[in-house]
Amino acid sequence: DTAVSQTPKYLVTQMGNDKSIKCEQNLGHDTMYWYKQDSKKFLKIMFSYNNKELIINETVPNRFSPKSPDKAHLNLHINSLELGDSAVYFCASSEGLKPYEQYFGPGTRLTVT
Amino acid sequence: GIQVEQSPPDLILQEGANSTLRCNFSDSVNNLQWFHQNPWGQLINLFYIPSGTKQNGRLSATTVATERYSLLYISSSQTTDSGVYFCAGKMDSSYKLIFGSGTRLLVRP
Repeated sequence: DTAVSQTPKYLVTQMGNDKSIKCEQNLGHDTMYWYKQDSKKFLKIMFSYNNKELIINETVPNRFSPKSPDKAHLNLHINSLELGDSAVYFCASSEGLKPYEQYFGPGTRLTVT
Repeated sequence: GIQVEQSPPDLILQEGANSTLRCNFSDSVNNLQWFHQNPWGQLINLFYIPSGTKQNGRLSATTVATERYSLLYISSSQTTDSGVYFCAGKMDSSYKLIFGSGTRLLVRP
């Protein structure tokens, strides 16, 4: 049973396109996160939702828009993709407003050409 | 300043050796957590260790919150221990986890 799943695992697309990444968790958690890991392996929080409410919104271009249809799902839509968006995007979840003991999905490797 | 700092940045071990990874964190960070990112990219929780010591098999972790550091011990290392080890802490008055830059470990057979 996969606790936190993401689709797709790999995404190759051209500059200017719009793409979405989906995340689902079956842990019963009510807080979900999106992280970006750059080529140097540095992990940085992008967004977080608690019970479908946005609670963390870091300095991220507004081309990135998260959407949480319910507590178990958090999707990331990216408009007008740029070369610099190439990275691995991780979804994570935790119980309550406790960012520690987060559980991560397998990641989505996005390559923009 | 740097809020979560890890050392060493890189470490090469022979299989069977022991190692200690260190994480220093600033006053505004607490609730330390250790992760392992395996060579396939999967991030795996190792320990949630705000203070004290925990052990799980060949791995153990100790956090001395009053002195703002945490240590991850790997004993009798195996090639499957290779990957990047991250520590992360929660920012005060925030729901954010701040990650260190990681220690990249290579265990050679």
